[in-house]
Amino acid sequence: ETGVTQSPTHLIKTRGQQVTLRCSSQSGHNTVSWYQQALGQGPQFIFQYYREEENGRGNFPPRFSGLQFPNYSSELNVNALELDDSALYLCASSWAQGEPGANVLTFGAGSRLTVL
Amino acid sequence: KQEVTQIPAALSVPEGENLVLNCSFTDSAIYNLQWFRQDPGKGLTSLLLIQSSQREQTSGRLNASLDKSSGRSTLYIAASQPGDSATYLCAVSDAGDFNKFYFGSGTKLNVKP
Repeated sequence: ETGVTQSPTHLIKTRGQQVTLRCSSQSGHNTVSWYQQALGQGPQFIFQYYREEENGRGNFPPRFSGLQFPNYSSELNVNALELDDSALYLCASSWAQGEPGANVLTFGAGSRLTVL
Repeated sequence: KQEVTQIPAALSVPEGENLVLNCSFTDSAIYNLQWFRQDPGKGLTSLLLIQSSQREQTSGRLNASLDKSSGRSTLYIAASQPGDSATYLCAVSDAGDFNKFYFGSGTKLNVKP
């Protein structure tokens, strides 16, 4: 059983640029959630994807967008990067609500984004 | 809006001590509560999951309790070891929006040899 893998592990961008972060969910999991964790803070929910559609969104602007693919992997895209977007971006996979083990999140190691 | 608070923010104890980490949440209508461990620069590892209908869960030296009516949870670590040093995060999911987890800022634990 493979865990959640994220890429890249670290990246540096400049203000105004765009970034794409990738996540492969744990084998069998069909739901992917993305979280932003600023330094010294707890993770904040960005959005969740199930069956290739957004299934819940936190308080993040539209320049944060995502995709889920038929193999349940996912991407997080951030446009027009701002300095405050610097953070650790965490992907978590799980089973969908109503399925055994739902809401038990398995997290990846994260992608650390620095915006200069 | 659900708010999760963890006290203390940091804790340093000698090896072998038993310790308690606290978590409080403002809205008692939760679906479940999870405790996670995060090592520096790493992702989160789930330690214990308590459903809203449960009072406690145990795993090895860890015991988590939940008092939903008062909006509190505690994580008890018995006989602490240096390898327990990490940040411990508490997260709750709302009964009405169980897709979304709300996290506290964590308690940074240092267990001294």
